[in-house]
Amino acid sequence: EDQVTQSPEALRLQEGESSSLNCSYTVSGLRGLFWYRQDPGKGPEFLFTLYSAGEEKEKERLKATLTKKESFLHITAPKPEDSATYLCAVQGGGYQKVTFGTGTKLQVIP
Amino acid sequence: GAGVSQTPSNKVTEKGKYVELRCDPISGHTALYWYRQSLGQGPEFLIYFQGTGAADDSGLPNDRFFAVRPEGSVSTLKIQRTERGDSAVYLCASSRDGNSNEQYFGPGTRLTVT
Repeated sequence: EDQVTQSPEALRLQEGESSSLNCSYTVSGLRGLFWYRQDPGKGPEFLFTLYSAGEEKEKERLKATLTKKESFLHITAPKPEDSATYLCAVQGGGYQKVTFGTGTKLQVIP
Repeated sequence: GAGVSQTPSNKVTEKGKYVELRCDPISGHTALYWYRQSLGQGPEFLIYFQGTGAADDSGLPNDRFFAVRPEGSVSTLKIQRTERGDSAVYLCASSRDGNSNEQYFGPGTRLTVT
């Protein structure tokens, strides 16, 4: 069974203080690893898909990286508007089921 | 264009009652997913539709849960004999097709069973 573990559960940063969120996973034949952002009371918002170890993707202050066992979401010089819960998910080969982690709740203090 | 919409946004029902939750996907998206999210947890996969057919219903917790998508667009999640443990936010997502990994989520329906 696919598993996703995210750490830390919560992270509090000062504005401008860079950090990384971790996503460890086990999956049978990785089809894709996804990062989503979720604001309170809203559905998840797609950020990135990573397909193979060594791949990296960037969007504004966010950069996602992937190894065979984990993914990192690096946040550079965060701003208060980056405050949200960040979800990691995986999809194995041959099926459509997507397994999510429990998320990291990020708070960026001005 | 319009995103994924879900109705109602909130639903309160009594234990044992029947409920229907509706999802309107993005126009033209053939793949549709239902998830359930409890407080402090990530979304939990329930069912996946490709067109009108349920291609993967392995996440449905028991036979009280059923979903349809008769015309390949709007989908309805149906829960019979609701239990307090069914209380959660029910999320719907759509993607262009089954090969697209980018899922667009709706705002969810918050179901409370009293």
